[in-house]
Amino acid sequence: GESVGLHLPTLSVQEGDNSIINCAYSNSASDYFIWYKQESGKGPQFIIDIRSNMDKRQGQRVTVLLNKTVKHLSLQIAATQPGDSAVYFCAERGNYGQNFVFGPGTRLSVLP
Amino acid sequence: KAGVTQTPRYLIKTRGQQVTLSCSPISGHRSVSWYQQTPGQGLQFLFEYFSETQRNKGNFPGRFSGRQFSNSRSEMNVSTLELGDSALYLCASSYRTETYEQYFGPGTRLTVT
Repeated sequence: GESVGLHLPTLSVQEGDNSIINCAYSNSASDYFIWYKQESGKGPQFIIDIRSNMDKRQGQRVTVLLNKTVKHLSLQIAATQPGDSAVYFCAERGNYGQNFVFGPGTRLSVLP
Repeated sequence: KAGVTQTPRYLIKTRGQQVTLSCSPISGHRSVSWYQQTPGQGLQFLFEYFSETQRNKGNFPGRFSGRQFSNSRSEMNVSTLELGDSALYLCASSYRTETYEQYFGPGTRLTVT
């Protein structure tokens, strides 16, 4: 069943191009950030995380950038593929005992 | 290793009824969190359990409750259902609360009529 919002910001990219998905977070005390991918009918899937003492972290085809000065997080996907089409969420969490706060999500649509 | 399982996957209830949703975490995971996902509010944290104790709670009314059993399986209950409770309820497990890598289940789609 569909699980994501009807009015999400949408990013459309051509297959093979790089994608950049942005997220503004709210709590300057948050020390941990995560990007999730959610495909239709599925729960969110962990992609990559980053601690606040870092400004960049790379994974397989993905890079997360953190700018604490402006409270901004971005996810870069290299050589975007059709299987990357999904809704992407950023989430922030403070220190022990604080729950995750999720962003509204961005729908990535990969064009053939 | 089996993933997080949630039952039932779909549920239809009427206003005023109550509902219980179940979540079985990944084997070895002791932390279970519950989230509500709606088109209007997005993903919102409900509560988190670790070793049968509620560690954290989101901003939801008391009609929403949960518990965790000794085998780490968790249930959440919503009493006196309202139309606005229609949502996808997601469960996520992790090895321990200090580890932020959560694994989500497929969710239970609850429709309140």
